[in-house]
Amino acid sequence: EPEVTQTPSHQVTQMGQEVILRCVPISNHLYFYWYRQILGQKVEFLVSFYNNEISEKSEIFDDQFSVERPDGSNFTLKIRSTKLEDSAMYFCASSKIWGITPSGANVLTFGAGSRLTVL
Amino acid sequence: DQQVKQNSPSLSVQEGRISILNCDYTNSMFDYFLWYKKYPAEGPTFLISISSIKDKNEDGRFTVFLNKSAKHLSLHIVPSQPGDSAVYFCAAAISSGSARQLTFGSGTQLTVLP
Repeated sequence: EPEVTQTPSHQVTQMGQEVILRCVPISNHLYFYWYRQILGQKVEFLVSFYNNEISEKSEIFDDQFSVERPDGSNFTLKIRSTKLEDSAMYFCASSKIWGITPSGANVLTFGAGSRLTVL
Repeated sequence: DQQVKQNSPSLSVQEGRISILNCDYTNSMFDYFLWYKKYPAEGPTFLISISSIKDKNEDGRFTVFLNKSAKHLSLHIVPSQPGDSAVYFCAAAISSGSARQLTFGSGTQLTVLP
């Protein structure tokens, strides 16, 4: 079963530091996503990415956040200057096609997540 | 802004009985709904989905019911098994238009007691 892998599984950082979370999507998937879940809250959409550019982003995804596909396999989320409220579980996901089709053909496959703790 | 709500943070059910997890939504533009299951230290995994053109979709022990007029959906698991113990997330999407990301509820922790 192909899977999305994420590293690190847990990162602890000081407020104001830069953090890069890494993801290896499923190899034949073309669309990539980052979601996050603050402890005790719902999973929230951050950004979607296709063809080396951002397709959609939420209001959470401000100038402190950036995404990149530096090579053919990795997909990264960078937080330039972390804040306490950035502490969350960050999930990477990928999909073969864009969005949800009426037939339900598309399903996002999620990684296990990277837990970020900002002190 | 809670467009998708799961009002029960937890549910305990005896093994072999039916588990019913509920979800409400407010955005009438949503036309596709999914349930994801999440075990500790793992990412959410897709379980079952339903399009707004249907009111029921069944896959083995799992059935999702959609009541569009009430903007309510539910996931039925029968019979429940201890391995079903996990957090269940309801998610919704708009299949057309510019907004294609999933909007999740806050999740319900299901515990199936042996």
